[in-house]
Amino acid sequence: AQSVTQPDIHITVSEGASLELRCNYSYGATPYLFWYVQSPGQGLQLLLKYFSGDTLVQGIKGFEAEFKRSQSSFNLRKPSVHWSDAAEYFCAVGARGTYKYIFGTGTRLKVLA
Amino acid sequence: DTEVTQTPKHLVMGMTNKKSLKCEQHMGHRAMYWYKQKAKKPPELMFVYSYEKLSINESVPSRFSPECPNSSLLNLHLHALQPEDSALYLCASSRGLAGVGNEQFFGPGTRLTVL
Repeated sequence: AQSVTQPDIHITVSEGASLELRCNYSYGATPYLFWYVQSPGQGLQLLLKYFSGDTLVQGIKGFEAEFKRSQSSFNLRKPSVHWSDAAEYFCAVGARGTYKYIFGTGTRLKVLA
Repeated sequence: DTEVTQTPKHLVMGMTNKKSLKCEQHMGHRAMYWYKQKAKKPPELMFVYSYEKLSINESVPSRFSPECPNSSLLNLHLHALQPEDSALYLCASSRGLAGVGNEQFFGPGTRLTVL
């Protein structure tokens, strides 16, 4: 069955520290992968997406993600976190041939000043 | 214009009320979505409209009634809701299928409270 796993429910980092949020997927083919961010009470904003080609993808707000087929992973990274990055982060797979996303359960990021 | 707008921002209603949520996009997207999101959970898909026709209904109770009057507008009519229906309701749109890589653009949501 298709699934997306975000192993970390909560992550706390200090401002200026580096960040890595994990995402693992189970999918029968090359997936279409997305990372979204959601601030409290707000909608979801697309950070970046992977379809094919270069496995290192650059996104908005200084985020990047690396697709690793051998590990079925699509981890999100940022070299230096800002207090405004505190939010909920969702990884998603576009279910092939459908309109549906398969969302991970989300990772809540807290940033310490 | 890469924005999806939703009104109202907040809505409080009683269990006997009838209300509507509205969503609008002017990106020329032909797919529009309603999601329900409970606190600390990912969004749950409710309905998908494709080319103004209902394409997916995720077994949503009939007290939720979607409507797509034209390619830019999406409504969600609410009637006889239950307190457990309180949630953030998100609208989204996309150029096409998520499964061929089309990203969805989300609105800011309507925070619904059912008393």
